[in-house]
Amino acid sequence: DTGVSQNPRHKITKRGQNVTFRCDPISEHNRLYWYRQTLGQGPEFLTYFQNEAQLEKSRLLSDRFSAERPKGSFSTLEIQRTEQGDSAMYLCASSLQAANTGELFFGEGSRLTVL
Amino acid sequence: GQQLNQSPQSMFIQEGEDVSMNCTSSSIFNTWLWYKQDPGEGPVLLIALYKAGELTSNGRLTAQFGITRKDSFLNISASIPSDVGIYFCAGQLRAGGTSYGKLTFGQGTILTVHP
Repeated sequence: DTGVSQNPRHKITKRGQNVTFRCDPISEHNRLYWYRQTLGQGPEFLTYFQNEAQLEKSRLLSDRFSAERPKGSFSTLEIQRTEQGDSAMYLCASSLQAANTGELFFGEGSRLTVL
Repeated sequence: GQQLNQSPQSMFIQEGEDVSMNCTSSSIFNTWLWYKQDPGEGPVLLIALYKAGELTSNGRLTAQFGITRKDSFLNISASIPSDVGIYFCAGQLRAGGTSYGKLTFGQGTILTVHP
């Protein structure tokens, strides 16, 4: 399968714990995005990478959130000291820079539940 | 920030009927996209529009980029049961070559098709 891959698909954690999500983009795509989606809403932009550089971060991304893409391939999104308000679906997407179309290919998401 | 208002919020139709949904914005966009999301999955791109006034089809789907660049609509003709899902509009405002892929999504239209 050559689509965007995310894991874990589901994570249940207690408030205050740290969680990490991983995203493997489509192999030739050099842009990678993280979005968050809460129930009944559309996805909201969090951050994006071009190769290994993190080029933009949303104000939604508090200090407890950190994203990395160390080798310009896979990416991780870590949430420290989770809060119940962090419960959401975290979506990763990738695209090809040269296309410059804004067309994103999304993964299946990682659903986080904070108890 | 930018807001997208998508309507209707939900639709219940009979198989074979046509469907129309639209999206309006308080700000202009350079690109409009329509995505479909099935339960527990990530959004899948249906149609992308790049020019004001553009009308684009993808099978039974037709979408238009409004002349004012502040709206778009999506039509589905002759609906079938597999059209069930949540449809999202998304807008992108490109600024100096950056912000590609930084999409603003609507709240979604939930489509139910009765056989």
